[in-house]
Amino acid sequence: AQSVAQPEDQVNVAEGNPLTVKCTYSVSGNPYLFWYVQYPNRGLQFLLKYITGDNLVKGSYGFEAEFNKSQTSFHLKKPSALVSDSALYFCAVREPGNTDKLIFGTGTRLQVFP
Amino acid sequence: EAGVAQSPRYKIIEKRQSVAFWCNPISGHATLYWYQQILGQGPKLLIQFQNNGVVDDSQLPKDRFSAERLKGVDSTLKIQPAKLEDSAVYLCASSLNGPDTQYFGPGTRLTVL
Repeated sequence: AQSVAQPEDQVNVAEGNPLTVKCTYSVSGNPYLFWYVQYPNRGLQFLLKYITGDNLVKGSYGFEAEFNKSQTSFHLKKPSALVSDSALYFCAVREPGNTDKLIFGTGTRLQVFP
Repeated sequence: EAGVAQSPRYKIIEKRQSVAFWCNPISGHATLYWYQQILGQGPKLLIQFQNNGVVDDSQLPKDRFSAERLKGVDSTLKIQPAKLEDSAVYLCASSLNGPDTQYFGPGTRLTVL
């Protein structure tokens, strides 16, 4: 069965510094990978996805993610963090050819300090 | 474009009571999802509708949970009777063409006492 792991419960970074939120996956075949963000008292918002093609995917709000097949990773990155980026980030996977079900990780709380 | 609407936003009930949640997806979105998000965990899919038909309800506890999507537009999720472990945020999402970009509502936070 497909799954994703987010090894860090929380990531702290100073404003202006680069940030990385880690995600590793386990699927059979080629994965469809996603990042969502959840702000307090709001629903999840789609950030970006990897289906096929270029391993570096660019998304909303200046975020990008790098797909690494050999390391089975899909880390979320941003060159310069903003305080407003502070939120809960979820990685998700869908196995193509299976149902449409998205499997979410447990989430990583990003805290950006001024 | 209006987003996914959910109501109520908050609900507190006692165990063994029943509760219902409502979701109105984005206009034209054929696929509708209900997720359960327990504190400290990622969302877990409960049920997926394509128009008014069920695509996947493999993780829906059918002894107490039910959902319907009459006319293929809005949907209700019901819990009867509720248990303490049902305390969670219930998220509704919709998508136009498959699951690759899902739009989520603000969720309903359920507390079972």
